[in-house]
Amino acid sequence: DAGVIQSPRHEVTEMGQEVTLRCKPISGHNSLFWYRQTMMRGLELLIYFNNNVPIDDSGMPEDRFSAKMPNASFSTLKIQPSEPRDSAVYFCASSFPRLEAFFGQGTRLTVV
Amino acid sequence: AQKVTQAQTEISVVEKEDVTLDCVYETRDTTYYLFWYKQPPSGELVFLIRRNSFDEQNEISGRYSWNFQKSTSSFNFTITASQVVDSAVYFCALSEATSNTGKLIFGQGTTLQVKP
Repeated sequence: DAGVIQSPRHEVTEMGQEVTLRCKPISGHNSLFWYRQTMMRGLELLIYFNNNVPIDDSGMPEDRFSAKMPNASFSTLKIQPSEPRDSAVYFCASSFPRLEAFFGQGTRLTVV
Repeated sequence: AQKVTQAQTEISVVEKEDVTLDCVYETRDTTYYLFWYKQPPSGELVFLIRRNSFDEQNEISGRYSWNFQKSTSSFNFTITASQVVDSAVYFCALSEATSNTGKLIFGQGTTLQVKP
């Protein structure tokens, strides 16, 4: 199995631009999670989906952030417009129910 | 509220030493899951172990062992005969069993440096 695949691995963008992060979960996993890692706040959950349906988006910082999961094999996290404080590593993870989550390699986002 | 505390921010040892990483958690739930993840310098998060709240048996996997004690709300991780490749940030995490187990509360992490 290829594991959770995220793209791009690195993204540098200018403030105000739209950024789209992509994730392909492990085949068969029915839960998908987006996490953000920063020095100040550590690892925090942004949103998660069960069977392609958003269940809990309470961690999404503000309306500039949105996430979709149009099918079982693809999800996006979009930031529009981006701001320098959005600079972080964004992880996607997937899991079966009641089992451990497996993480992708992350997308390092830098907003200048 | 749920919380995970890893009081050791950084630990430095010399190769072949044993090292224990501490993890203390808080939860009101009687059923929950605990995890350890490793984040090597390359940046990915690697799953190490999952333990549910009803299973207090200690676990050993090669040089790694875990000690789960509900009485003290601790889930400590020991590396025996440490190696340079063990250098990484280690995260302890907690999940409620009633929600999705991938919904994790992470500790702040312990940076382990193993020197040759």
